[in-house]
Amino acid sequence: GAGVSQSPSNKVTEKGKDVELRCDPISGHTALYWYRQSLGQGLEFLIYFQGNSAPDKSGLPSDRFSAERTGGSVSTLTIQRTQQEDSAVYLCASSLERGGGKVFFGPGTRLTVL
Amino acid sequence: DAKTTQPPSMDCAEGRAANLPCNHSTISGNEYVYWYRQIHSQGPQYIIHGLKNNETNEMASLIITEDRKSSTLILPHATLRDTAVYYCTPTLIQGAQKLVFGQGTRLTINP
Repeated sequence: GAGVSQSPSNKVTEKGKDVELRCDPISGHTALYWYRQSLGQGLEFLIYFQGNSAPDKSGLPSDRFSAERTGGSVSTLTIQRTQQEDSAVYLCASSLERGGGKVFFGPGTRLTVL
Repeated sequence: DAKTTQPPSMDCAEGRAANLPCNHSTISGNEYVYWYRQIHSQGPQYIIHGLKNNETNEMASLIITEDRKSSTLILPHATLRDTAVYYCTPTLIQGAQKLVFGQGTRLTINP
């Protein structure tokens, strides 16, 4: 079956613009995660959605970052007034179970802020 | 959340067994040990997980110490395609939680 998909694969934007990154999780997966990875760095947790529970937003670096998940499926990560330090690969992942399950990652969106 | 310690880098000859250690001394009784790897420019990929018994699948073997404070991922016959960053991460058996990764080990397989 299809894995986690993300769009766009690459996004170049100018400083100060808003961007939206999309994630389509594996069908039926109840948990959805967003991470970012700056060049040469590790995976930085951003936000976690689990079913109808309130999302864990503890990793969002500033109030310019927000995410939503509509209908328990597709998720959109929005970055407002982008800054150059926002340049990174943004990875989405999903899993079937509440914790303890395998997490499947998408290919990521490479964001470049000029 | 349990924290992990992994060597930042390791080298291994092609065809040899690669043994990647991970310390997770603060792991709780309701956490599994999960291993993922990230090949350059790709999203992380699940490898294997275990609770307290040793595990083996088509990709690797996992050895967990009796006290569960450390584990070793074994790639029995490493190939050049196994060059990647390897992450171990304790994960709750049940209950919602975020999945947190440390810095991982950059494994380089040499011809």
